[in-house]
Amino acid sequence: GNSVTQMEGPVTLSEEAFLTINCTYTATGYPSLFWYVQYPGEGLQLLLKATKADDKGSNKGFEATYRKETTSFHLEKGSVQVSDSAVYFCALSVLSEKLTFGTGTRLTIIP
Amino acid sequence: DAGVIQSPRHEVTEMGQEVTLRCKPISGHDYLFWYRQTMMRGLELLIYFNNNVPIDDSGMPEDRFSAKMPNASFSTLKIQPSEPRDSAVYFCASSSTDRAGNTIYFGEGSWLTVV
Repeated sequence: GNSVTQMEGPVTLSEEAFLTINCTYTATGYPSLFWYVQYPGEGLQLLLKATKADDKGSNKGFEATYRKETTSFHLEKGSVQVSDSAVYFCALSVLSEKLTFGTGTRLTIIP
Repeated sequence: DAGVIQSPRHEVTEMGQEVTLRCKPISGHDYLFWYRQTMMRGLELLIYFNNNVPIDDSGMPEDRFSAKMPNASFSTLKIQPSEPRDSAVYFCASSSTDRAGNTIYFGEGSWLTVV
């Protein structure tokens, strides 16, 4: 079956620190990979995605590269801001059907 | 362009009452998903539809839960009778299969509290 394993939280960083949230996956078939973000009291928003190996998704200073050889899709940002505090979900889908989510990583950025 | 629209945004109801959650997917999308989010279990897929037909309902907790999609622009998730353990955020989402790697777009969620 399909599964996503992501870094356990919570993660607390100071403003302007470098962020990495690890995500690895297993999938039957060739998955598309996603990072979603959920701000407090809100729904899930797509942050970035990649549909094939070596693709890099990027948005709002966040990046993630689809690594087929290591089955990973780690999320990175060079300099985090307080406004980045949220829960981040790694996810995959195969054949454009249902998303399989990781458990989520709560990120808190302190000024 | 309107996103996925859910109603109600918040509902508080008494145990035993019927709850109906509603969803309008993005126009032109042919997949619709219902997810539930709780602190204990995270995000769970309850059911999804393709072209208004239920494809996988294996995530529906029990017979108290039912979902319908009478047409391409409307779906309901019903809980009857409701119980306190049903308290959660229920998300509706939709996507289109017109190209690979399609994004699934989520609504703002319906925050349900059963007391």
